[in-house]
Amino acid sequence: LAKTTQPISMDSYEGQEVNITCSHNNIATNDYITWYQQFPSQGPRFIIQGYKTKVTNEVASLFIPADRKSSTLSLPRVSLSDTAVYYCLVGNASGGSYIPTFGRGTSLIVHP
Amino acid sequence: DSGVTQTPKHLITATGQRVTLRCSPRSGDLSVYWYQQSLDQGLQFLIQYYNGEERAKGNILERFSAQQFPDLHSELNLSSLELGDSALYFCASSAEGGAGTDTQYFGPGTRLTVL
Repeated sequence: LAKTTQPISMDSYEGQEVNITCSHNNIATNDYITWYQQFPSQGPRFIIQGYKTKVTNEVASLFIPADRKSSTLSLPRVSLSDTAVYYCLVGNASGGSYIPTFGRGTSLIVHP
Repeated sequence: DSGVTQTPKHLITATGQRVTLRCSPRSGDLSVYWYQQSLDQGLQFLIQYYNGEERAKGNILERFSAQQFPDLHSELNLSSLELGDSALYFCASSAEGGAGTDTQYFGPGTRLTVL
């Protein structure tokens, strides 16, 4: 099971781009990387998922280098409402006993 | 709104008691996951059911049990409650069987307070 490591916290200011990096050194060949966002007292919400190179949606971009040992979630021009905890998960598409490991995530605080 | 519902929203009980938390997945989703989130432990996976069968087990205590019914709703039973069981309990659902690529949709949670 690939273990992930993220910074515990980050600070930013409104309008800036924020990049949160997740390390997953022992990621398996078939593993995908998924990011979730959680606001206080709410359940996590899916942001983005990718396998390699770059994935972009209306909310964020996900950059995955060729060795796939890390990934970076990029939030363009953050606002106060992006203050939340961000989780990186790794897992593959095979069924069976997948154990979702959210850990403590990265607490992002956006300042005015 | 994720489409996942959880009841009750809040629950206050005493040590030694037993409670049942209920979760209804999104329409069409076959998998239900249960999580515990406390301040000192983060978001911890407890157990997953797929179409009525237990599929994966995390750090679930023996005092806790769960089941998924034929209509796909799920219940998490917590017994012999201790102060340390006070936490937010989330349910999530996904369309597929619990692969690492499945998108999970989380409910609003049940806040359990054990006094």
